[in-house]
Amino acid sequence: DAKTTQPPSMDCAEGRAANLPCNHSTISGNEYVYWYRQIHSQGPQYIIHGLKNNETNEMASLIITEDRKSSTLILPHATLRDTAVYYCIVRSHTGTASKLTFGTGTRLQVTL
Amino acid sequence: GAVVSQHPSRVICKSGTSVKIECRSLDFQATTMFWYRQFPKQSLMLMATSNEGSKATYEQGVEKDKFLINHASLTLSTLTVTSAHPEDSSFYICSATLNYGYTFGSGTRLTVV
Repeated sequence: DAKTTQPPSMDCAEGRAANLPCNHSTISGNEYVYWYRQIHSQGPQYIIHGLKNNETNEMASLIITEDRKSSTLILPHATLRDTAVYYCIVRSHTGTASKLTFGTGTRLQVTL
Repeated sequence: GAVVSQHPSRVICKSGTSVKIECRSLDFQATTMFWYRQFPKQSLMLMATSNEGSKATYEQGVEKDKFLINHASLTLSTLTVTSAHPEDSSFYICSATLNYGYTFGSGTRLTVV
């Protein structure tokens, strides 16, 4: 699976939008972009995923550039409970279940 | 939605003893489960892939005789840390897949004293 690059940390004021970037310049045509987050001392939580179109759900929006080499996760109105480490992962849906490889992620700190 | 239950959430054991961690898929069948280990302020590191009815596949550098994995049913995988030592103290997390999505357990904090 393709590697990803994320900033190590970001701050965001509560109530503002948090925009978390991810670079995946070596992504293949059949690889999806997944976002997970991990709140301290818990298991990772699925947020959203997409292939090439922008996606939105009740938690966040995912914006994928046209060349698919980067993406941005948007938390529209960050709250203190969104403080977590956010992981951007790319993987394909072909073949049998493949392992999910975590990078270092972005530590998002939401402040008052 | 898919739920994965992991037990226990915390365990303290004496050095030299063995500890078993259970991972259950509650509302779906999981032919494949994954076991991760996470040290403080580090990312999740995959230890092994657990396949129902067959031997687990271990990542490079993970001792298969120390970290025993059993996946005897479609809803249960267990990780046994044998002859635990203080350096095995870590946060262990399991995961199961369903329709290309991954669901994670809540993790087990193992402390070896």
